[in-house]
Amino acid sequence: EAGVVQSPRYKIIEKKQPVAFWCNPISGHNTLYWYRQNLGQGPELLIRYENEEAVDDSQLPKDRFSAERLKGVDSTLKIQPAELGDSAVYLCASSLPSGVTDTQYFGPGTRLTVL
Amino acid sequence: AQSVTQLDSHVSVSEGTPVLLRCNYSSSYSPSLFWYVQHPNKGLQLLLKYTSAATLVKGINGFEAEFKKSETSFHLTKPSAHMSDAAEYFCVVSDVETYKYIFGTGTRLKVLA
Repeated sequence: EAGVVQSPRYKIIEKKQPVAFWCNPISGHNTLYWYRQNLGQGPELLIRYENEEAVDDSQLPKDRFSAERLKGVDSTLKIQPAELGDSAVYLCASSLPSGVTDTQYFGPGTRLTVL
Repeated sequence: AQSVTQLDSHVSVSEGTPVLLRCNYSSSYSPSLFWYVQHPNKGLQLLLKYTSAATLVKGINGFEAEFKKSETSFHLTKPSAHMSDAAEYFCVVSDVETYKYIFGTGTRLKVLA
């Protein structure tokens, strides 16, 4: 069974540029999460989707971050414009619907460097 | 509010010796607790999960953890460390209402030859 797929794996951009990350969850997983992991810290949730609906985006900096999950499968996380402090690893995770299980499966992440 | 505290940011052991990574939790409810491992430039891999079925949980790669309610602990152990165990380990509690993961700050395990 294929795991969570993310691309790109690495991205280097200059500040004020836009950037986008893509995630394909495990087949059949209705719930999708985006996390940000700063160096030396644990991941922090940015947004959680149940199918197409963003059910928890309270930690997403909405002035510059946006996310979408059209058709309830793949998801894209965008930053525009990027700032130096956005340098981090962006992780995508998926799970079966909340209420069935709370076990999340993580992708390899996208390491973003903002210069 | 739920939280986890990983008591050691770095642990070093010799290959073949036991591993102990410590985690304390705080939860108003009976928690779901997890240990994940993260190798360099890799995603987080689930080692094991506690969901109240049994207090001693066995995971992959010889790891196990014991849930101790009286001590609010969920320490991760392995009888004999292998070089491939060198990685970052995260203790996680799942919020029972929102299913949100609350991560500890991580413990970096170093295995010496």
